[in-house]
Order: sequence, then structure tokens, then C-alpha cells
Amino acid sequence: AQSVTQLDSHVSVSEGTPVLLRCNYSSSYSPSLFWYVQHPNKGLQLLLKYTSAATLVKGINGFEAEFKKSETSFHLTKPSAHMSDAAEYFCVVSERTGANNLFFGTGTRLTVIP
Amino acid sequence: DAGITQSPRHKVTETGTPVTLRCHQTENHRYMYWYRQDPGHGLRLIHYSYGVKDTDKGEVSDGYSVSRSKTEDFLLTLESATSSQTSVYFCAISESVQLGRSYEQYFGPGTRLTVT
Repeated sequence: AQSVTQLDSHVSVSEGTPVLLRCNYSSSYSPSLFWYVQHPNKGLQLLLKYTSAATLVKGINGFEAEFKKSETSFHLTKPSAHMSDAAEYFCVVSERTGANNLFFGTGTRLTVIP
Repeated sequence: DAGITQSPRHKVTETGTPVTLRCHQTENHRYMYWYRQDPGHGLRLIHYSYGVKDTDKGEVSDGYSVSRSKTEDFLLTLESATSSQTSVYFCAISESVQLGRSYEQYFGPGTRLTVT
């Protein structure tokens, strides 16, 4: 069975400082992993995805994530936070069989302090 | 942005009334999904469709039904709305799935439903 644990429900950083959003996953198969972002009152936008190619994945807006199988982790990072990064972030695991159903973490709300 | 629209975008209804939400796509993707989003739960899958007239249940399907008579439209019906179904509902689409591969899903803008 697939599941995702986002270790922090809320992260607060100052503008210009690094961002780290933590995610651990559980999967019976070799997983596909995603990070989605949701700005207030908006839909979800794909930030990046891991599908068993390179373990370091680069996404949009300067975000990247590293797949670590030994730690079952897929943490999201960004070197320097921008005010526009303030949003809710979801770590997601996908089964690679059946209907490609996604399993969402409960989300991490990122606040950026000016 | 992927061509996904949802209607209505906001709805207030009374307990016990039926409600239908519509998802429309212009991408000709085979797979369509309905999720609900609630605080502290992330998104949870209600139902999904893998083709016209082909649907299956997700994690939280009780009290919901779906229909897909055309590739581009996926309807979610609350047969008798309850206050516990107050939520934000998202539709998503995905390309055809191949064994061993995984495709991202693209999400619509959401429908905020309030059941009073």
C-alpha cells in the first residue's frame, strides 16, 4: 500500500533563506513521487516528479527534490525563498499499476516572512 | 494550463438535496478523477474513470456516484447531500496509463460546495 507522511504541517522561513519541506513515503512498488503546490483559492500545480530516472529532480521556480530510497524520503528544497513561494505544498506517491491513482500527504503550509 | 473546467465553481445547497458537479476537459485524456479536499486530509480520491462508461470507486466513495458518457465530461453526483460533504472538490485528468510508468495528473480549479 502507498502512503505519504509530510513531517511538518507548517514551515516558516524568511525571504532569501533556504526552504526544506520534508516528505517520507511508503510504497509496495518502486514509486513515482510528485510535489504539487496550491496557492490560496487555486487548483494544484505540478512542481516536479520522480519516475525512476535521476534521483535529483529539478522542478519549476527553482525547486528541486532528491529521492533517497534508503531513507524512503523525497524532501523538497529551494536555495532562496521568495514571497511568491508562500503556498500549500503536497507530497504525492503514485501506484504504477491500475489507474495511476495518487495518494496525497496532508500538506505543508509554507509562510515566507519579508 | 491543461484544459480542465469545473462547474459550478461555488455552490450552496441544503441537506438532502441532490447535487451534480461537472468536469469538462479538452485534452482528450482517457483517465479522469474526482477528489475532495478537507483540512488535515490532503486530497482524497472519490471516484475515477478509465474510459467512457468505465468507472471505479476510490477511497471515499460512499454517498457519491459518477457518470461518464463522453470522453470530455465526468459528472459527480451527491445523491442526498449531507453536511459532511461540505468540501472543495477537484477534478483531475491523466493520459493513458502504461504498466510500470506513472503520469502526472492535471487538476481543475475546484468547486467549493457548502451543504447547510
